[in-house]
Amino acid sequence: KAGVTQTPRYLIKTRGQQVTLSCSPISGHRSVSWYQQTPGQGLQFLFEYFSETQRNKGNFPGRFSGRQFSNSRSEMNVSTLELGDSALYLCASSWTGLNTEAFFGQGTRLTVV
Amino acid sequence: EDQVTQSPEALRLQEGESSSLNCSYTVSGLRGLFWYRQDPGKGPEFLFTLYSAGEEKEKERLKATLTKKESFLHITAPKPEDSATYLCAVQGTLNYGGSQGNLIFGKGTKLSVKP
Repeated sequence: KAGVTQTPRYLIKTRGQQVTLSCSPISGHRSVSWYQQTPGQGLQFLFEYFSETQRNKGNFPGRFSGRQFSNSRSEMNVSTLELGDSALYLCASSWTGLNTEAFFGQGTRLTVV
Repeated sequence: EDQVTQSPEALRLQEGESSSLNCSYTVSGLRGLFWYRQDPGKGPEFLFTLYSAGEEKEKERLKATLTKKESFLHITAPKPEDSATYLCAVQGTLNYGGSQGNLIFGKGTKLSVKP
């Protein structure tokens, strides 16, 4: 059974640019959540999508957005990149997002220069 | 506000030296408490889910327990391959002002096991 796949694994972007990250969940999972991980703040919740609808959102600026497609694949977009956006971005999938285990992908390492 | 505190931040053990990691939490209605293992440069790997106080789960050398305020991850006779960062997370009940279903993570405990 394939796990959660995130692409690309590594990205280097310049301040002011925008970036799109992709996540393919485990087959059958309908909930996809995104997290930002930094050494200082740890893992912080960005947003969750379930059946193509954003169901939950963390405390991040509007520059961070996402969407989910009918096949449950999800994309996350960050516009007007800042140096502080450098982090490991993790995607997690689960059956329903509630009361069930979430399985993480390997992450996308974003470096903003 | 929902929050999770893990201690210690770092733990060094000799191979075979058993110990416990602590996860203290505050959540408005607990849906579940989750333990993950994370190796450097990789995504967290799911270990356990605990749903109610008194519940225990085991996997190889690891055993997780849960009370109403904290969880422990007991490591029995650890091996060098157990070295990793162990993360604890809680999921709260929807419609509360806290986690609303998403996972709230602690900062983790970095475990090093020396041969």
